[in-house]
Amino acid sequence: QQQVKQSPQSLIVQKGGISIINCAYENTAFDYFPWYQQFPGKGPALLIAIRPDVSEKKEGRFTISFNKSAKQFSLHIMDSQPGDSATYFCAASGRGSGNTGKLIFGQGTTLQVKP
Amino acid sequence: DSGVTQTPKHLITATGQRVTLRCSPRSGDLSVYWYQQSLDQGLQFLIQYYNGEERAKGNILERFSAQQFPDLHSELNLSSLELGDSALYFCASSPGNLQETQYFGPGTRLLVL
Repeated sequence: QQQVKQSPQSLIVQKGGISIINCAYENTAFDYFPWYQQFPGKGPALLIAIRPDVSEKKEGRFTISFNKSAKQFSLHIMDSQPGDSATYFCAASGRGSGNTGKLIFGQGTTLQVKP
Repeated sequence: DSGVTQTPKHLITATGQRVTLRCSPRSGDLSVYWYQQSLDQGLQFLIQYYNGEERAKGNILERFSAQQFPDLHSELNLSSLELGDSALYFCASSPGNLQETQYFGPGTRLLVL
């Protein structure tokens, strides 16, 4: 019930293409879904986050799509650039994690954008 | 730069030893979170402190303990270290207690030999 499942484990995309990473959760009490980006040797950094009252949130080239009934959410990176090459983590938080800020992370997706 | 500092950056020690990892949150942040990142387990939540008090506990071993001091910095103590404790340990901070942006530090890489 506490798990967040993320796929794919790795992804290779050509420059200018669309990168799509998917996550699924089980606990319907989660109500905050952030995506974090991590570069080698650095800590994760928040990329974009969504709450279940909206189905989509867009910030620049990054979009989260949220499907509450399917308990799934995904990250779309439009016009992917080599600088986007990093590991991406989805996460969930909220009442499903004891109503604290505790984040339950997916396993991560390593994205490589080829020039 | 997230504004969260962690020391040391690297730590090499032997099995059975005890180490202390230190974290200074962003100015004004009251919550400190500790996460462990390993290849097989991914990013795992360990513990959260909010304004000096333990707020949430995750998959933290009994050999591990943490505290948050009055100046809001936090320490994670790892004792009776085992090879499997080798990992990256991240501290994150946030202004409050609930679902909001967590700012991660650069991490401490622990290697237990």
